[in-house]
Amino acid sequence: NAGVMQNPRHLVRRRGQEARLRCSPMKGHSHVYWYRQLPEEGLKFMVYLQKENIIDESGMPKERFSAEFPKEGPSILRIQQVVRGDSAAYFCASSPGRTDLYGYTFGSGTRLTVV
Amino acid sequence: AQTVTQSQPEMSVQEAETVTLSCTYDTSESDYYLFWYKQPPSRQMILVIRQEAYKQQNATENRFSVNFQKAAKSFSLKISDSQLGDAAMYFCAYRSEQGAQKLVFGQGTRLTINP
Repeated sequence: NAGVMQNPRHLVRRRGQEARLRCSPMKGHSHVYWYRQLPEEGLKFMVYLQKENIIDESGMPKERFSAEFPKEGPSILRIQQVVRGDSAAYFCASSPGRTDLYGYTFGSGTRLTVV
Repeated sequence: AQTVTQSQPEMSVQEAETVTLSCTYDTSESDYYLFWYKQPPSRQMILVIRQEAYKQQNATENRFSVNFQKAAKSFSLKISDSQLGDAAMYFCAYRSEQGAQKLVFGQGTRLTINP
């Protein structure tokens, strides 16, 4: 089992470009969470998805950010027209469902740098 | 909304000694989980230990143990026989059993191990 795979590991974008971050959950996991970690801070919840559904996006900025988890393929976090303040580490986590008692399995994160 | 507070931005300990990291949280819920995660420089989020709120017995995982005081809303982590590999950021996290079951993280404590 390869674990939660995130790519790319590092991503550099110029202000105004689009950033696409990918997350492949563990095999058998149908729940995906995205978190953002600003420098020297803890992780902050952004969005919770199940296959083809956004369940909770209360932590996601209303503009420029979107997320999807299609029936086939990885979950995508998309940031349009990036700004310097979007520079952060973005983590994906997956779980098999609500009954998982062990928390989630995290990926290694994508570090986004906006220049 | 739930909050998690880690009041120690940095801690240091001599190798082989014992160190305790503090964590307090605020919630009006009765059913929840508490976690400690370790984040080494590799950025990977590693689950160290977890505690179910309904269990009075403190969780233990090898050299790691917690002191869970539900009434005081306190959840400290004790690391015994500290090793150089324990050096990392440590995050305390709360997870509700309601709604999206998202994790709420504290700000983190940077632990340094002195040889």
